Amino acid sequence: EVQLVESGGGLVQPGGSLRLSCAASGFTFGSFALDWVRQAPGKGLEWVANINQGGSGKEYLDSVKGRFTISRDNTKDFLYLQMDSLRAEDTAIYYCARDMTPVTRGWGSWGQGILVTVSS
Amino acid sequence: EIVLTQSPATLSLSPGERATLSCRASQNIDKYLAWYQQIPGQAPRLLIYHASNRATGIPARFSGSGSGTDFTLTISSLEPEDFAVYYCQQRNIWPITFGPGTKVDIK
Repeated sequence: EVQLVESGGGLVQPGGSLRLSCAASGFTFGSFALDWVRQAPGKGLEWVANINQGGSGKEYLDSVKGRFTISRDNTKDFLYLQMDSLRAEDTAIYYCARDMTPVTRGWGSWGQGILVTVSS
Repeated sequence: EIVLTQSPATLSLSPGERATLSCRASQNIDKYLAWYQQIPGQAPRLLIYHASNRATGIPARFSGSGSGTDFTLTISSLEPEDFAVYYCQQRNIWPITFGPGTKVDIK
């Protein structure tokens, strides 16, 4: 069974940093690109970042470029999101997500989500 | 950035009725449109990928159609568990974008 489990969320002050982790199991981790997606309280879904299978290719939402860094460890089956210079508008539930298959453009597996709150 | 517009914003229907949800893209996205269902407090669930392919385990009452800029999600006969928010998502061009959602609620 595919499992994605996020951790590392919490309350942080504006301008602070946080590192999210996503532990993966039940599939060949290095065969899949992975994404971070967020949802502000009571709002819709917003894609944040993507990393390809090997980790060499990364894409970011414009509003997080230069502040967030996506990375992965294919030896430990972990996905990460380093979030620096956090703003109030980054407050959201953050999900890691994986396509249903390596050639399918649709996130068939999601983590349970982790709450990040940016507030003084 | 590709903007996705969903209509209607809210759809009030009774169990057993047919639901038709629309998603329009601001430019051609070929077939790379996915639909997700989200129940409050839960992660989204993939229903349809590549515009018309049902994801694993999704009941046959869910179907998707369209290509280019106009797409439709149809729920042939609403079950109680189908009352939720539905999002479309384009995966053709970076950045990946979502529509604002259609809430299907009980009439």
